[in-house]
Amino acid sequence: QVQLVQSGAEVKKPGASVKVSCTASGYTFSSYDINWVRQATGQGLEWMGWMNPYSASTGYAQKFQGRVTMTRNTSISTAYMELNSLSSEDTAVYYCARLFVRKTSGSSFDFWGQGTLVTVSS
Amino acid sequence: DIQMTQSPSSLSASVGDRVTISCRASQSISRHLNWYQQKPGKAPKLLIFGASSLQTEVPSRFSGSGSGTDFTLTISSLQPEDFAIYYCQQSHSRPSTFGQGTKLQIK
Repeated sequence: QVQLVQSGAEVKKPGASVKVSCTASGYTFSSYDINWVRQATGQGLEWMGWMNPYSASTGYAQKFQGRVTMTRNTSISTAYMELNSLSSEDTAVYYCARLFVRKTSGSSFDFWGQGTLVTVSS
Repeated sequence: DIQMTQSPSSLSASVGDRVTISCRASQSISRHLNWYQQKPGKAPKLLIFGASSLQTEVPSRFSGSGSGTDFTLTISSLQPEDFAIYYCQQSHSRPSTFGQGTKLQIK
């Protein structure tokens, strides 16, 4: 069965960086883009960007450009999201999600990781 | 960016009720609209893709409709496990954007 398992909770100080991992199983890792979505406590869902595990191509939301980097290690079917220059506004649960593309119905996030809480506090 | 607006923001209903949640896009997105359900402390779960297609293993009491800019999620007969937050999401163009969510509460 398809699973995305994320790394554990992190506590960081303002100005620091965080790197969250997302390990895939149950499917061919390189065949589906991995997207990252975050959610501040009590707030909605915010898309951050995507990465193609086959080509390593990436695309980031304008808001995070220059501050986020998405990478992967195909040998261990793992995607990474690194966010720099953290502030308290980055305190959120970060999710990875698999993008499933259908020719006629568009695309959707069909499987999600369990989420990683990143807390930024001095 | 395409803005997604859901209504209502919250809704109180009883088990057995029929409920409808609306989602409007700021420009036409064809049928590239997905619906997700999120329960407390859990990741979102895909319910509907392509505006009206039911994801595998999602109960048939859930249905979606619409095209262009106006979409609807309907739950035909609410069950206790349906009380959650529902989000629409457009996949027509990047950046992907979500509605602000509709919280479905027990009356």
